[in-house]
Amino acid sequence: QKEVEQDPGPLSVPEGAIVSLNCTYSNSAFQYFMWYRQYSRKGPELLMYTYSSGNKEDGRFTAQVDKSSKYISLFIRDSQPSDSATYLCAMSMSLGGAQKLVFGQGTRLTINP
Amino acid sequence: DGGITQSPKYLFRKEGQNVTLSCEQNLNHDAMYWYRQDPGQGLRLIYYSQIVNDFQKGDIAEGYSVSREKKESFPLTVTSAQKNPTAFYLCASSRLQGSYTFGSGTRLTVV
Repeated sequence: QKEVEQDPGPLSVPEGAIVSLNCTYSNSAFQYFMWYRQYSRKGPELLMYTYSSGNKEDGRFTAQVDKSSKYISLFIRDSQPSDSATYLCAMSMSLGGAQKLVFGQGTRLTINP
Repeated sequence: DGGITQSPKYLFRKEGQNVTLSCEQNLNHDAMYWYRQDPGQGLRLIYYSQIVNDFQKGDIAEGYSVSREKKESFPLTVTSAQKNPTAFYLCASSRLQGSYTFGSGTRLTVV
């Protein structure tokens, strides 16, 4: 079993729809939870960063963490064609002075105009 | 602007060759990392470094080597021992606790 599971999709929705992306994890040692967006042939860029259970909102994006269920979600409201990308969930654990991020496979999302 | 610079963007390697991927950051981050990304497999950790002159193996270190002689620089060498090197390589850096900042990646292809 992988430490982090993410449905790779692809997921295709019409413009303006609410998008829900999800990951589950098995390692209780994970401390921080992140969502990255990656456009084709580019490096991932950080969208959301959180460390506690609950919701965190930033504009059209809401990150949700449920540590008791080991489940995290990213919601995108009023989705735009520019949101079309691969979305990666990531979870961090301490490596002494550094930290290791463990990534999900990524979900490929397409927003259709 | 602060960030991470990876070069080259595209790299071609012949069988039996060693190649070195460059990664430079001006974010004053202590920790640096190398990940490999393959289709359908997400990102996997190759090596990481917490401080200068110290580095540790990640999950898939075989066939790779690194050095950390300066805080700003963390080059990755893909040796001939790496049997399947074709992939997208991503360098990242972070403060000791915090999210990663990624470079734009190097796409390595074996010819």
